[in-house]
Amino acid sequence: AQSVTQLDSHVSVSEGTPVLLRCNYSSSYSPSLFWYVQHPNKGLQLLLKYTSAATLVKGINGFEAEFKKSETSFHLTKPSAHMSDAAEYFCAYFYSSASKIIFGSGTRLSIRP
Amino acid sequence: DTGVSQDPRHKITKRGQNVTFRCDPISEHNRLYWYRQTLGQGPEFLTYFQNEAQLEKSRLLSDRFSAERPKGSFSTLEIQRTEQGDSAMYLCASSLDTSSYNEQFFGPGTRLTVL
Repeated sequence: AQSVTQLDSHVSVSEGTPVLLRCNYSSSYSPSLFWYVQHPNKGLQLLLKYTSAATLVKGINGFEAEFKKSETSFHLTKPSAHMSDAAEYFCAYFYSSASKIIFGSGTRLSIRP
Repeated sequence: DTGVSQDPRHKITKRGQNVTFRCDPISEHNRLYWYRQTLGQGPEFLTYFQNEAQLEKSRLLSDRFSAERPKGSFSTLEIQRTEQGDSAMYLCASSLDTSSYNEQFFGPGTRLTVL
């Protein structure tokens, strides 16, 4: 069955240091994978998406993710964290036959001053 | 703002009451989705429409839940005889259908609290 697993429920980093949010996927097919961000009291916003083109995907706000088929991973990174990056991040899989998105359980990112 | 809008943003109700939520998608989008998000979890798919046709329903959508999109524009999600377990954020999203993935744009959600 298709699924995504976010390996950390909470990540805390200092402002200006790198961010790594981990996501593994399970799929019988070539997957379409996404990262979404959710700020408090705001809707989900798409950060970036992988749809079988380049394995290194660049998104908004300096985030990027690398699709690694051998490791079934799609980790999200950012070289330097900013206070405004504090939010909930969701890795997600697009289940095309049902036209629905399957979300991971989320990783809360906290930024220390 | 031409994004997805949802109304109301918050709803508090007593157990056993009926509630109805509304979603207005981005105007040219023909697909509309409903998701439910409980505290500490990612959103879970409930159902989706292509124009006015409801094409997929999750097993999470019990008989107490009904969704409509009568004219292929806005949609409503009704929950009858609410239970405390229905307390959650209900998210609506819309997209423009093509043969491949198209980004789903999410609304701000309706937070339901059942007392």
